[in-house]
Amino acid sequence: AQSVTQLDSQVPVFEEAPVELRCNYSSSVSVYLFWYVQYPNQGLQLLLKYLSGSTLVKGINGFEAEFNKSQTSFHLRKPSVHISDTAEYFCAANTGGFKTIFGAGTRLFVKA
Amino acid sequence: DGGITQSPKYLFRKEGQNVTLSCEQNLNHDAMYWYRQDPGQGLRLIYYSQIVNDFQKGDIAEGYSVSREKKESFPLTVTSAQKNPTAFYLCATASGTNEQFFGPGTRLTVL
Repeated sequence: AQSVTQLDSQVPVFEEAPVELRCNYSSSVSVYLFWYVQYPNQGLQLLLKYLSGSTLVKGINGFEAEFNKSQTSFHLRKPSVHISDTAEYFCAANTGGFKTIFGAGTRLFVKA
Repeated sequence: DGGITQSPKYLFRKEGQNVTLSCEQNLNHDAMYWYRQDPGQGLRLIYYSQIVNDFQKGDIAEGYSVSREKKESFPLTVTSAQKNPTAFYLCATASGTNEQFFGPGTRLTVL
């Protein structure tokens, strides 16, 4: 069965430091991959998506992710974080059907 | 202004009471979804609908019901059979690329 694993439940980081949020998926077929961000008491917003083509995907707010088929990973990175990046981040996968599988989320906490 | 609206933002339920959460969209998307979010558990799928007058159970459908009489609307009823309904409920739609678009959520609390 398809699954998405976010390897860190919480990631504390200092402001202006780089960050990587890790995501692994399991799928034997082609997969679409997504990263969403959720601020407190709000819905999820799309940060970026991989559908096909270039494995390095750039998104909003300076985030980027790299699709690695051999390692079945889709890690999210930002070279320099801001206080305003404090939020929960969800990795998600879809194999072309109507159901999207979400990871359990990673809470990013940016410290001054 | 395109998007998804959910109402109410906060909802309180008494024991034994049914409550209905509203979800409306003007994105012209066929697929709509309801998720439940609990702290540390990510999103769990309750129900989804691919087209009008059709819907399927998700992973945690017990104690919930839905209807899809119009493309724009997908209300969720939390029945008295749902023993632990306190959670944050998210409605979403999906585009052709399976990207999901989310509403602002409804926080339901049992008194």
